[in-house]
Amino acid sequence: EVQLLESGGGLIQPGGSLRLSCEASGFAFSSSVMRWVRQSPGKGLEWVSSIGDSSSNTHYAESVKGRFAISRDNSKNTLYLQMNSLSADDTAVYYCAKETYSKAFDFSGQGTLVTVSS
Amino acid sequence: EIVLTQSPGTLSLSPGERATLSCRASQSITGTYLAWYQQKPGQPPRLLIYGASNRATDIPDRFSGSGSGTDFTLTISRLEPEDFAVYYCQQFGGSPLFTFGPGTLVDVK
Repeated sequence: EVQLLESGGGLIQPGGSLRLSCEASGFAFSSSVMRWVRQSPGKGLEWVSSIGDSSSNTHYAESVKGRFAISRDNSKNTLYLQMNSLSADDTAVYYCAKETYSKAFDFSGQGTLVTVSS
Repeated sequence: EIVLTQSPGTLSLSPGERATLSCRASQSITGTYLAWYQQKPGQPPRLLIYGASNRATDIPDRFSGSGSGTDFTLTISRLEPEDFAVYYCQQFGGSPLFTFGPGTLVDVK
């Protein structure tokens, strides 16, 4: 069974930084494409970033490009999202997801809430 | 940028009724990369349909997907009490790499 456990969220002031983590189990993490998706309170879903299995390919939404960095440690089965220069617009629940059939998303974690506020 | 529009915004139905949800893309997309998700309050989205018409693992056969080009449909043949939720479509390709529709709320009439 695919399990994803996100952590690292919290309350942060504008301009601050946070690093999110996602511990994976129940599947071959090192050969899986992984992604981050966020959902602002009461709003829809927004893809944030993706990373290939060997970290060779990374992609970002325009809204976070240059501020966020996705990475992974296959030896620890863990995905990361380093978030810098945070603003109120980044307030959201952040989900990690595994790529599944036809480039769809397998969300198997409860997400971690990031609140950017002074 | 490929924009997905979902209609209606809210669909009010009774258990046992048929639900038809629409997802329209601003330009033609490959059906291979069109997916549907269900989300209930406080839960992550759950993959229902991938490749426009393929049910994901353990998804009941009352859920079906169809469509091609710019118009896609999710149909729930007979609504069960647990089906009342928000439904999102999602596509891959272009820029940004992935986009989601704004969602359709299926609520109890």
